[in-house]
Amino acid sequence: AQSVTQLDSHVSVSEGTPVLLRCNYSSSYSPSLFWYVQHPNKGLQLLLKYTSAATLVKGINGFEAEFKKSETSFHLTKPSAHMSDAAEYFCVVSGITGGGNKLTFGTGTQLKVEL
Amino acid sequence: EAGVAQSPRYKIIEKRQSVAFWCNPISGHATLYWYQQILGQGPKLLIQFQNNGVVDDSQLPKDRFSAERLKGVDSTLKIQPAKLEDSAVYLCASSITGIYGNTIYFGEGSWLTVV
Repeated sequence: AQSVTQLDSHVSVSEGTPVLLRCNYSSSYSPSLFWYVQHPNKGLQLLLKYTSAATLVKGINGFEAEFKKSETSFHLTKPSAHMSDAAEYFCVVSGITGGGNKLTFGTGTQLKVEL
Repeated sequence: EAGVAQSPRYKIIEKRQSVAFWCNPISGHATLYWYQQILGQGPKLLIQFQNNGVVDDSQLPKDRFSAERLKGVDSTLKIQPAKLEDSAVYLCASSITGIYGNTIYFGEGSWLTVV
C-alpha cells in the first residue's frame, strides 16, 4: 500500500521569498516520487522526479526537492517565488501494483504568490 | 514532440445523458491512463491500459463507465448514463511503459459538467 500526505492545503508567500511545500509519503517499496504542477484550466506538468538516484532533485523553473528516507519526506522548495508560480502542486508516489506502475496523488497544495 | 491530446476540452450534459472523451497518447507510449479529478481533489486512476489490454480498472464504475483502446494507440472513455457526481476533469496520460518509476505525461483534460 502507498499513500502521500500534503501537509498544507494552501500556502501563501510574497514574490521573491522562499517557497516550501511539504509532502510525506508511505510506501511498501522503495518509492519513486514526483511533484506535478497544475495551472488553472491546464493539465498536470511534471516538475521533477526522484527514482533512487541523488536525494536532491532539481526540476524545472528553479524548483528542487530533497528525498529524506528517515523522515519519509519529499518537500518541494524554491529560493525565490515568482508570480507565475501560483498554481496547485501535487506530490505523487509511484508504486508497484499487480499491473505495474501506479501513481497515488496527494490532495494538493494551492500556492498563492502575492506582490 | 507532441503531447497527450484530448477532446473535447469542455462538455456540458444533462444527467442521464451519455458522453465520450477521446485521447491520443504520445507516440510510442505503450501505457495509457485515464484519471478522474474532482474539484479540490487529486486525480484518481480510473483505468490503465498496456497496449490494448487492461492492466487495472479496479476503480472504474463499470455500471456506467467504459473505456477501450482497440488498436493500442488512442482511447475512448464513455459515461452512460451520467450522474451529477461525474462532474470532473477527465485526464488522459501516457508513459513509455508501465514500469515502476516511468514518467507519466498528462493531457490538458476534458472538463465535464453534468447538470
